[in-house]
Amino acid sequence: DAGVIQSPRHEVTEMGQEVTLRCKPISGHNSLFWYRQTMMRGLELLIYFNNNVPIDDSGMPEDRFSAKMPNASFSTLKIQPSEPRDSAVYFCASTPGGPITDTQYFGPGTRLTVL
Amino acid sequence: AQSVTQLGSHVSVSEGALVLLRCNYSSSVPPYLFWYVQYPNQGLQLLLKYTSAATLVKGINGFEAEFKKSETSFHLTKPSAHMSDAAEYFCAVRPPGKSTFGDGTTLTVKP
Repeated sequence: DAGVIQSPRHEVTEMGQEVTLRCKPISGHNSLFWYRQTMMRGLELLIYFNNNVPIDDSGMPEDRFSAKMPNASFSTLKIQPSEPRDSAVYFCASTPGGPITDTQYFGPGTRLTVL
Repeated sequence: AQSVTQLGSHVSVSEGALVLLRCNYSSSVPPYLFWYVQYPNQGLQLLLKYTSAATLVKGINGFEAEFKKSETSFHLTKPSAHMSDAAEYFCAVRPPGKSTFGDGTTLTVKP
């Protein structure tokens, strides 16, 4: 199995630009999570989907952030416009079944730098 | 609401020594508890999880953790540290749905 795939692995952009992060969960997994990791705030859950439906987006920091999951094999996290404080590593994770007890499988992350 | 506290942001042990990483949780409902390991420039990998079955949970790489409800703890241990155990370790609590992660503990293993 290829595992959770994220692209790009690294992104450097300038303040004000739109950034789109992509995630392909493990085939057959029903739940998908987006996390942000920074030194200051640690790991933060931004949003999670179950069966392609957003269940809880209360962790999304502000309206500049949006996430979609148009089908079971693809999700995007978009930041528009980006700001330097958005610089972080963004992880995507998926679980085989429900979001509560199942093991989360993490992707390698996208390291975002906003200049 | 649930939360997790990891005591000690950095732990250093000698190779072959006992590893003990501490995690305390608070949860208004019976928790599901997890330990993850993160190696540099990689995503998190599950070490073990507690989901209300046996209180002593064995994971990969020789790690285990014991759920103690009276102490609201889920400490991670390994009898003998190996150099390859050097990484950052995260404790997490769920439900409901959300994952709440601790701030992480960086484990250094000295030769």
